[in-house]
Amino acid sequence: EPEVTQTPSHQVTQMGQEVILRCVPISNHLYFYWYRQILGQKVEFLVSFYNNEISEKSEIFDDQFSVERPDGSNFTLKIRSTKLEDSAMYFCASSESGSDNEQFFGPGTRLTVL
Amino acid sequence: SQQGEEDPQALSIQEGENATMNCSYKTSINNLQWYRQNSGRGLVHLILIRSNEREKHSGRLRVTLDTSKKSSSLLITASRAADTASYFCATDTENRDDKIIFGKGTRLHILP
Repeated sequence: EPEVTQTPSHQVTQMGQEVILRCVPISNHLYFYWYRQILGQKVEFLVSFYNNEISEKSEIFDDQFSVERPDGSNFTLKIRSTKLEDSAMYFCASSESGSDNEQFFGPGTRLTVL
Repeated sequence: SQQGEEDPQALSIQEGENATMNCSYKTSINNLQWYRQNSGRGLVHLILIRSNEREKHSGRLRVTLDTSKKSSSLLITASRAADTASYFCATDTENRDDKIIFGKGTRLHILP
C-alpha cells in the first residue's frame, strides 16, 4: 500500500542552524501539507501546497519557514534559523484533492533544537 | 479558534470492552476525520465521514456524525491491547481551505 515517507526520522541541530526536512508524498497525490506537534500538544497545521505554490499557511509559518517541491517526488520543509521552540515532531501529509479527501500522514521527523 | 475537541481526555477500559470517544466542533464542516497515533509515532488515518453521512463503519470502528449538534463519536468494539493509542478528530474549516484542524485527542489505554 502506498505511504508517505519522511527523512530523517530524528534530526538534532543547534539553535540558529538551518534544517531541511524531507518528505516523499504518495505518488498520485496533488496536495501536500506540513504539520507539527510539540510534545504533549495537539497537531498544528503549518502549510498546504498545491500546483507548486503555497495555498494556505498558518501564523506559525513565518519567514523562517519555506517549502519546496524540488523535483517530481520530494516535498521539503526548510527552517532557516532554528529556535528552541521549533523542537517538535513534524509531519508531512498528502491527499488526492484538498480538504474533500483523506490526508495521509508520514511517520514524522522529530526535530530537537539544542 | 479551536475546532475539534475530544472527550474524554483519557479513557482506560478492560480488553474486550467497547470504547467510545467523542468530538465536538464549532463551525460548519464538509467532513470530519478520525486519526490514531501511537505514542511518539505518526498519525494513522482511520475514517473520513462527510457532512451528509450519519454513520460509517470500518472493521471494529464505528463513527457517527451529528451535524445539528456539531459532534461525532468514534466507537471501537471488542477492544484489544493494540488499540492503546491517542485518537484525534480533525475537521476541515468553514472556509473549505486545505487545512484540517486537530483536536487535543483522547488517550485510550486498554487494560489486559
